[in-house]
Amino acid sequence: QQQVKQSPQSLIVQKGGISIINCAYENTAFDYFPWYQQFPGKGPALLIAIRPDVSEKKEGRFTISFNKSAKQFSLHIMDSQPGDSATYFCAASIYSGGSNYKLTFGKGTLLTVNP
Amino acid sequence: NAGVMQNPRHLVRRRGQEARLRCSPMKGHSHVYWYRQLPEEGLKFMVYLQKENIIDESGMPKERFSAEFPKEGPSILRIQQVVRGDSAAYFCASSAKTGLEQFFGPGTRLTVL
Repeated sequence: QQQVKQSPQSLIVQKGGISIINCAYENTAFDYFPWYQQFPGKGPALLIAIRPDVSEKKEGRFTISFNKSAKQFSLHIMDSQPGDSATYFCAASIYSGGSNYKLTFGKGTLLTVNP
Repeated sequence: NAGVMQNPRHLVRRRGQEARLRCSPMKGHSHVYWYRQLPEEGLKFMVYLQKENIIDESGMPKERFSAEFPKEGPSILRIQQVVRGDSAAYFCASSAKTGLEQFFGPGTRLTVL
């Protein structure tokens, strides 16, 4: 049972374009939604995260949009750059509960930004 | 300011051998988490440890897998009698407290021949 579904599996974007990655979750108890960026040979690194009390969070060129009723959230990368080429993972956890450490990850999206 | 360190980075074992994966958390972190990433899959939680204690091992296979985080030294993920299905990337993460950001290590790629 996959609790966090991520799409697309891979994405190719031209430099300067907008990259959009989507995730959907099933467990309504999830209340913390981070995005991780992973470069080849490295571990995932936290990029940006959102709690469901807001519908959008922006940090630089990265924006999370959150739709609680649809149980969906997405990552938008504005003005995509070749250096953004990496695998992106969405995740979810129950922040308010006793198991807030247990991150449930999507399968990842391989983003390639062409120069 | 060293990050989370894992070794070895690559490990090759034959079926039936034992695999030992080590994780040194970031300085000042006493919470360690292990995740497994199978090919074409996302990371899956395995176990959460604090110094000398296993807090949650709900993601660990019931047999052959064990983890420890001794008072001194790194956390160890031990896989006995490895099988081909154990081939995966194993990531360790650490945090200063429960619920704070988890910082991930570079992972250990285990290949079982």
